[in-house]
This record gives sequence, structure tokens and C-alpha cells, in this order.
Amino acid sequence: SAVISQKPSRDICQRGTSLTIQCQVDSQVTMMFWYRQQPGQSLTLIATANQGSEATYESGFVIDKFPISRPNLTFSTLTVSNMSPEDSSIYLCSVEDGGQSGTEAFFGQGTRLTVV
Amino acid sequence: LAKTTQPISMDSYEGQEVNITCSHNNIATNDYITWYQQFPSQGPRFIIQGYKTKVTNEVASLFIPADRKSSTLSLPRVSLSDTAVYYCLVGRMDSSYKLIFGSGTRLLVRP
Repeated sequence: SAVISQKPSRDICQRGTSLTIQCQVDSQVTMMFWYRQQPGQSLTLIATANQGSEATYESGFVIDKFPISRPNLTFSTLTVSNMSPEDSSIYLCSVEDGGQSGTEAFFGQGTRLTVV
Repeated sequence: LAKTTQPISMDSYEGQEVNITCSHNNIATNDYITWYQQFPSQGPRFIIQGYKTKVTNEVASLFIPADRKSSTLSLPRVSLSDTAVYYCLVGRMDSSYKLIFGSGTRLLVRP
């Protein structure tokens, strides 16, 4: 199993500014995943972060808006750039690791972002 | 990637058994079926995973018919604390495999 710590847990930011979210895992993992969950909605995958290479972004998400760093096998950051109220969401990082019955995903508690 | 379809919401009462069915007509041979539970203000949490027939753990049972085009999550004797959103996902059991979440089923358990 994996334990994930995410910081900050919540923030209120002014439009036009940027926020960097940190994700720390207690074990080394190859891939880390970043999701966005808009109010009342399901999770949407933003990108996959692989150590030593650029992140792979899903359709509708671009590096300029959501730059990601992956400096080592236990840590990643997601930056939400030039924020607007539409970016108000919960942002979650996730890893997949061996669990009780195979490979399962483990999630951080999320970062609740409000843009005003 | 196999798409999943679930009921948007379900209501139940404490002590009842709840069955949530998920449709995944395009499931691939290598795909497993996994269910996650999400409480408000928390990340999703793994419940159960299976490939075929029946899987049971201390929390739930998962029923998968022979054609694997659907699956049913069974929660025995639900309590108020089981009120959550339940997501059905299909995909390879591979740590590099990205998970695509569907809309999920919002379960409300009433007293």
C-alpha cells in the first residue's frame, strides 16, 4: 500500500495568480497521476507524471496551464497557473501500488482550491 | 479504454442490502473490474477488485457474469456511513495504467 500526503489541503487564491500543489508518497513509484474534481462531478485525469520525462497530458489539459514536476520517485508537484474562477476544484494526486488484492490506486486527501 | 455506465443515484435504508450494477460492454480480455468509494472531502478508496465470477472481502462482494459485460457491487446491510459515491472502473492491473473515472453512483442511506 501507499500513503500520500498532499499540500496544501485547501487554499483561496486571487485570479491571475498561480498555486503549486505538492504530493509526497511514502514509497517509490513509477507513475503519479493528477486528477481534477469539479464540484459535484467525477474525477478527470489531468496528466500522468513519470520521473525523468515530461508529463503526459490528457485531452483538454496543457502544460502551460498545469505544469508538473517529478524530480524523484516519491514526489511531484502540480501548478495551476494564471487561475480563474473556473479552476476552482479539488485536485488529487494518485499512485498505483500493490494492495490487498492486486494493483490498486491510492489517493491523497486532495487540495480544495477556490479562486476568487 | 472500456467505458462504464452506472446509475446516477440510489437510495436505501439502514440494514438493507444494496446492489449497484455497472455496465462495461467493451471490456477487454486483460481488464479487471475495480470499485472505489468516495466520501465528501476525501480521495477515492479501493473497495474490491475482480476478474470473473465472485469475489468477496470484509466490505463487499463483487459479482461478474461469464460474459464480463457487467458487474454488480453488493453491500450487505448498509449503514448511514456507507453514504458515498461508488465508482466502477475497468482496466489492466498494471501500476502504470491510468484510471478513467465514470460518473459514479451516489448512494444515500437513510435511517
